[in-house]
Amino acid sequence: GESVGLHLPTLSVQEGDNSIINCAYSNSASDYFIWYKQESGKGPQFIIDIRSNMDKRQGQRVTVLLNKTVKHLSLQIAATQPGDSAVYFCAEKTSGTYKYIFGTGTRLKVLA
Amino acid sequence: DARVTQTPRHKVTEMGQEVTMRCQPILGHNTVFWYRQTMMQGLELLAYFRNRAPLDDSGMPKDRFSAEMPDATLATLKIQPSEPRDSAVYFCASSTDTRSSGNTIYFGEGSWLTVV
Repeated sequence: GESVGLHLPTLSVQEGDNSIINCAYSNSASDYFIWYKQESGKGPQFIIDIRSNMDKRQGQRVTVLLNKTVKHLSLQIAATQPGDSAVYFCAEKTSGTYKYIFGTGTRLKVLA
Repeated sequence: DARVTQTPRHKVTEMGQEVTMRCQPILGHNTVFWYRQTMMQGLELLAYFRNRAPLDDSGMPKDRFSAEMPDATLATLKIQPSEPRDSAVYFCASSTDTRSSGNTIYFGEGSWLTVV
């Protein structure tokens, strides 16, 4: 079946360094992707999204890259801060459907 | 600051008891989802409503779970009778019509259920 998966379950980075969180998706028909951040005890929080007609989108300190050729999505966080420590999920959806498929999540740990 | 509101935030109950979780979607959102999150399964879709109509509840155990939207500002998820395996975090999320590409779903803070 179709699935969205993450390469690394846990990522540890030094405060101030850049973080890269990766996500592989298997449905080539997916045309919308979202990154969520989930802090302990809270619900998933929208970070940034990207449509399949783009390969890069930037927000405040975050950048999402989409490589449709290899079906790969990444989230880059610049100058990682302690407040960035959380679990990050990617999600995919296909236009015309209502279901989002969520990845299993990557835990980001920021080291002081 | 528009947000999805869920109650209760935490619930501990005994096996066999009825549990009702409530959700107020973001005003103007016509699409509501119920998800369950566990360490083993991640986020699982339980039910999906559009314009208050249940369009997909295939993810719910039919014998004990039920989901309704009595009105546009309230969605409920009920478990009767509850079992220890129902212990999880239940998230409500809402959106404008997600059939179109580019409609983000926004999550509530979750109802943390423990059945003992």
